[in-house]
This record gives sequence, structure tokens and C-alpha cells, in this order.
Amino acid sequence: AQTVTQSQPEMSVQEAETVTLSCTYDTSESDYYLFWYKQPPSRQMILVIRQEAYKQQNATENRFSVNFQKAAKSFSLKISDSQLGDAAMYFCAYRSATQGAQKLVFGQGTRLTINP
Amino acid sequence: AAGVIQSPRHLIKEKRETATLKCYPIPRHDTVYWYQQGPGQDPQFLISFYEKMQSDKGSIPDRFSAQQFSDYHSELNMSSLELGDSALYFCASSLTHLEQYFGPGTRLTVT
Repeated sequence: AQTVTQSQPEMSVQEAETVTLSCTYDTSESDYYLFWYKQPPSRQMILVIRQEAYKQQNATENRFSVNFQKAAKSFSLKISDSQLGDAAMYFCAYRSATQGAQKLVFGQGTRLTINP
Repeated sequence: AAGVIQSPRHLIKEKRETATLKCYPIPRHDTVYWYQQGPGQDPQFLISFYEKMQSDKGSIPDRFSAQQFSDYHSELNMSSLELGDSALYFCASSLTHLEQYFGPGTRLTVT
């Protein structure tokens, strides 16, 4: 079974600074997807970014980018120019590419605080 | 853009009662997923449906059942409720192998 580990329960960063959230995962599969979801105080789950395992290029979405290291099974999220609205719980998630097994497996989450 | 709709948003039930949660996926999405998020925990997968057929099953108690209807909406039925069932229940939808988009969740409180 696949597992996802986020070793940082809490992180904080000054507004406008850059912060990196860590995520590692364990799988025997070669084809899969990785995601970062954001959960603000409203508890809504918001997709931040997606990475396909077969792509070597790291995904980028505006101020959000990932560092995907397939061999190391590492998938970190970098948030540049942090804004107060980035404060939330961030979950790393894994999804198999096998048909019929598309559930998301989440890490424990990292609570990000933005200091003004 | 249309989002996933869940109803009700809040539900309070007593132990041993029954609850039904409803989910309306994004139009044209063919897959629906249910997740349970306990207090301070990450979401846990319960069950999913693809084209109205069960496609995957997680740690869903036998007291729970779910189905997807012809209009693609889904319902999660929970019977003999226990205090430990108190949680936020998310429905998500996707178009085949693409990203899962989550609804706002139903907060279930069992007293």
C-alpha cells in the first residue's frame, strides 16, 4: 500500500518570503500522480498543483512550484512571495495511475502560518 | 464555473440514528469519491463510483453504503451512527483520470 509522509506538522514564514513544505511517499508503482491540496479555515479542499510521475519537468502554478525527485520519492512544495491568504493546512496526496484505483492517499498535513 | 455541491452542509444526529449525505458532481464528471476527515486528521478514502458502478473501496464501515444514480449524483447512507462517525465528509468528482475537485463538505455531528 502507498503511504505519504509530511514530517513538518507546522511551518511559519514571513509575508513575501519563500517557504518549502516537504513530502515523501512510498510506492512500488512507476506511474502515478502527486498533488498538493490546500485546506484553509473554511475546510474547503483546494487543488494547488499536480505532478505526473512520468514527467521530469517540475510543475509550476504562478507562485507555487514543486521539486519532484522520483528516485528519492520526494515531492516538496515551494511557495514564493507568501501572502496572508496562503495560510492554511497543506496536504500532499498520491494517486495511482492504475485504472480503478484512483483514490487519493493523503499525508498528515502541514499547517502553514504567514506572519505579517 | 460549477462546483461540487453537497447537502446538507451541517447535520446533527443522535447515536443509532441514520443519516443520508448527498453529492452533486461537476457537470460531465463521471467519477465520484467520498472521503471522511476526522478532527485534526487527513481525509480518508471511503468509496468511489465510475459511471454509476463502484470502482474502488476503502475503509468504509459495513454500516455505511453508497450509490451513484442515473443523473450521476451520489448518496452516502450511514446507519447505526456512532460518536466516532462525527467528521467532515467530502465528496469529490473528476473526469476519468484527471484531478479530483472537492465539494465544501458535510459536517456530521453525532451526539
